Amino acid sequence: DQQVKQNSPSLSVQEGRISILNCDYTNSMFDYFLWYKKYPAEGPTFLISISSIKDKNEDGRFTVFLNKSAKHLSLHIVPSQPGDSAVYFCAASADVSTGTASKLTFGTGTRLQVTL
Amino acid sequence: DSGVTQTPKHLITATGQRVTLRCSPRSGDLSVYWYQQSLDQGLQFLIQYYNGEERAKGNILERFSAQQFPDLHSELNLSSLELGDSALYFCASSVDSSGYEQYFGPGTRLTVT
Repeated sequence: DQQVKQNSPSLSVQEGRISILNCDYTNSMFDYFLWYKKYPAEGPTFLISISSIKDKNEDGRFTVFLNKSAKHLSLHIVPSQPGDSAVYFCAASADVSTGTASKLTFGTGTRLQVTL
Repeated sequence: DSGVTQTPKHLITATGQRVTLRCSPRSGDLSVYWYQQSLDQGLQFLIQYYNGEERAKGNILERFSAQQFPDLHSELNLSSLELGDSALYFCASSVDSSGYEQYFGPGTRLTVT
């Protein structure tokens, strides 16, 4: 049972335009969401996160939006740059607010290619 | 560089064999997590250790085991290997047991032939 789903395996965007990566989840106990970026031959690197008490978190060119009622989150990258080309994983955790969370549940990833 | 190191980078072995993957967490981090990423799959959580003790368990097979040593490095032991165990194995660490903002190592690619 895939509790975190990234339904688009790949996305191609022109440099300077907006990249929107989507993620859906089914477990209503998730209360913390993260995006990780992964380059080939490297481990995932933390990008941005959002708590379920918020609906938006912004960090430079990266903004994550959370729609709890739809169990949907998205990552916006504006403007997209060639160096953003990577695989992006959405992840979720439960019980972070109680300090008992541990594991992250990952989606299958979306490969973003930013073209010139 | 996340500060998490994993050895070896690549491992090729035969079915039925046993291997050990090693992970050193970031300095100061007490939790270590192990994940498996098979082809075209997301990362699957295997197990977490916090300050030497098992803290959480995911979809880890009985043929797999892990431990965290007093110096906080961790080892993942995979035995009676099968072709389906071929995957990338990632280790991550975090400062506490909450799982908040885990930092990942570069992974060990295991190929079982």
